[in-house]
Amino acid sequence: EDKVVQSPLSLVVHEGDTVTLNCSYEVTNFRSLLWYKQEKKAPTFLFMLTSSGIEKKSGRLSSILDKKELFSILNITATQTGDSAIYLCAVDSGGYQKVTFGTGTKLQVIP
Amino acid sequence: GAVVSQHPSRVICKSGTSVKIECRSLDFQATTMFWYRQFPKQSLMLMATSNEGSKATYEQGVEKDKFLINHASLTLSTLTVTSAHPEDSSFYICSAPGQAGEQYFGPGTRLTVT
Repeated sequence: EDKVVQSPLSLVVHEGDTVTLNCSYEVTNFRSLLWYKQEKKAPTFLFMLTSSGIEKKSGRLSSILDKKELFSILNITATQTGDSAIYLCAVDSGGYQKVTFGTGTKLQVIP
Repeated sequence: GAVVSQHPSRVICKSGTSVKIECRSLDFQATTMFWYRQFPKQSLMLMATSNEGSKATYEQGVEKDKFLINHASLTLSTLTVTSAHPEDSSFYICSAPGQAGEQYFGPGTRLTVT
């Protein structure tokens, strides 16, 4: 059974801090790993990672994948209150686009 | 940990027929469940919020008569795609919230309408 585990489950930081969110996975057929940010409604897409060691970056957010150790991290530097959200990790496996989600990490950034 | 299941995992149906997708919380109760549709480029669209004992809340642009949602019990929500058309072919995912605000996602259902 495919599994995606995120840690920590929740996190409270102060503005300006740097955070690292973790995602480990066990899947039978890896295609890609996806990160989403969920604030109120549907998760919004952040990154898709397919290759090990190549960092994806978007502003203060960055992510990297390690296919050997089966994990990914999402880094957020200089956090802002607007970064408060649930961050979801998902792994796309299989020809029918089966996507397995983690439970998310709830990040709260306080002023 | 909490588990959400979906059935079927994949279904192929003919144009004009209806398809029912079940979402179950296996070891916890969920008064609310969410139904999403996954589009190309990995984006997820929230279709509706399923509420146990009351009507579902649909997002703007989602046809409630086409996507019927029934939250029959504290562990089961169903999404019925009525009079399916090829453009309804997609990946449908449900989720249920945990006590700390985390989301437990189902494995998804791949619908193909021919």
